[in-house]
Amino acid sequence: EVQLVQSGAEVKKPGESLKISCQGSEDSLTTYWINWVRQMPGKGLEWMGAIYPGDSDTRYSPSFQGQVTISADKSITTAYLQWSSLKASDTAMYYCARGDGYNLDYWGQGTLVTVSS
Amino acid sequence: EIVLTQSPGTLSLSPGERATLSCRASQSVTSSYLAWYQQKPGQAPRLLIDSASTRATGIPDRFSGSGSGTDFTLTISRLEPEDFAMYYCQVYGRSRLTFGGGTKVEIK
Repeated sequence: EVQLVQSGAEVKKPGESLKISCQGSEDSLTTYWINWVRQMPGKGLEWMGAIYPGDSDTRYSPSFQGQVTISADKSITTAYLQWSSLKASDTAMYYCARGDGYNLDYWGQGTLVTVSS
Repeated sequence: EIVLTQSPGTLSLSPGERATLSCRASQSVTSSYLAWYQQKPGQAPRLLIDSASTRATGIPDRFSGSGSGTDFTLTISRLEPEDFAMYYCQVYGRSRLTFGGGTKVEIK
């Protein structure tokens, strides 16, 4: 069974850095795209970007380019989403999801990030 | 950039009724690139339909997808209590994914 397991909830202050993770089975993290999706409180889904851990090819939504960094370490079958300086507006649930061609067929459980002074 | 507009924003129906959800694209899309998701409160989204009309593994046959070009539809033939949720359409284009704003199906 395909499983994507995300790191736990985080509470941070504005200006702090953060890296959250998404660990999957070897097959999921080396032969599929891993996507990150943001869901702000009470809002819809926003695609942030994706990485192909096999060769680290990475793509970003224009809305998130330069705001976050997506990376992966295929040796430990883990993908990452990181911020260098968080803002209150980064408060959201973040999901990783496996890309099966043109859609997302398996999702992590989500990581809630709260940024508050 | 493709924009997806879902309507209605909220659909109030009773169990057993038929639900028809619309997803309109700002430009023509390849049917293979269109998917639908269900999200219940406190849960991650779940893939329902891919390629506009193919049910994902384990999805009941009361869910069906149709459409082409710029107009796509998700139909739930007879609503079960567990179907009351948010539904999102999603399209792939130019190496990126775009979601619609969602339709909430609520109990009337």
